[in-house]
Amino acid sequence: GAGVSQSPSNKVTEKGKDVELRCDPISGHTALYWYRQSLGQGLEFLIYFQGNSAPDKSGLPSDRFSAERTGGSVSTLTIQRTQQEDSAVYLCASSLTTSGSMYEQFFGPGTRLTVL
Amino acid sequence: AQTVTQSQPEMSVQEAETVTLSCTYDTSESDYYLFWYKQPPSRQMILVIRQEAYKQQNATENRFSVNFQKAAKSFSLKISDSQLGDAAMYFCAYRSLRGSQGNLIFGKGTKLSVKP
Repeated sequence: GAGVSQSPSNKVTEKGKDVELRCDPISGHTALYWYRQSLGQGLEFLIYFQGNSAPDKSGLPSDRFSAERTGGSVSTLTIQRTQQEDSAVYLCASSLTTSGSMYEQFFGPGTRLTVL
Repeated sequence: AQTVTQSQPEMSVQEAETVTLSCTYDTSESDYYLFWYKQPPSRQMILVIRQEAYKQQNATENRFSVNFQKAAKSFSLKISDSQLGDAAMYFCAYRSLRGSQGNLIFGKGTKLSVKP
């Protein structure tokens, strides 16, 4: 079946502009995660959606970052007034939330954001 | 808070040889999951192997195996009969089973080169 998809693949923007990044999770996966991967670094957790529960926003670095998940499926990560330090690859992942699945997260190909 | 440490930023192995990538973690929890992910230049994160903390038996997936030492909080990855396609970034990751903490906590990665 189809995996996690993300769009756009690459995004170049000017400092101060707003950007929206999209994630389509695997159908049936109730959990959705956003991570940020800066150059040469590991993945940094941003936000986690689980079903209809309130999202876990504990990883968002500032109030310029927000995300929503509509209808329990597609998610959009929005960065307002982008800064150069926001340049990174933004990865989305989805998973089932059953112990039988071992909570394996399936990742999308990421969006590379460059802020000039 | 849990942390994951990969002390080898880069490793190199000769094709057909064996290489071991190190990972240590810090947690006060007794039950959790551990993962190794591979990230080739395409950016796509691919699950290599996973381990449930309550299982003493080390996980194995074809040429990939782990040495899980729970008391030492160590989770190393062994790649046997290395192939050119194994060249990638490898990330060790931890998942708590506590509460709503569904995200993975990643190490900073080890870049593996395979020499022909």
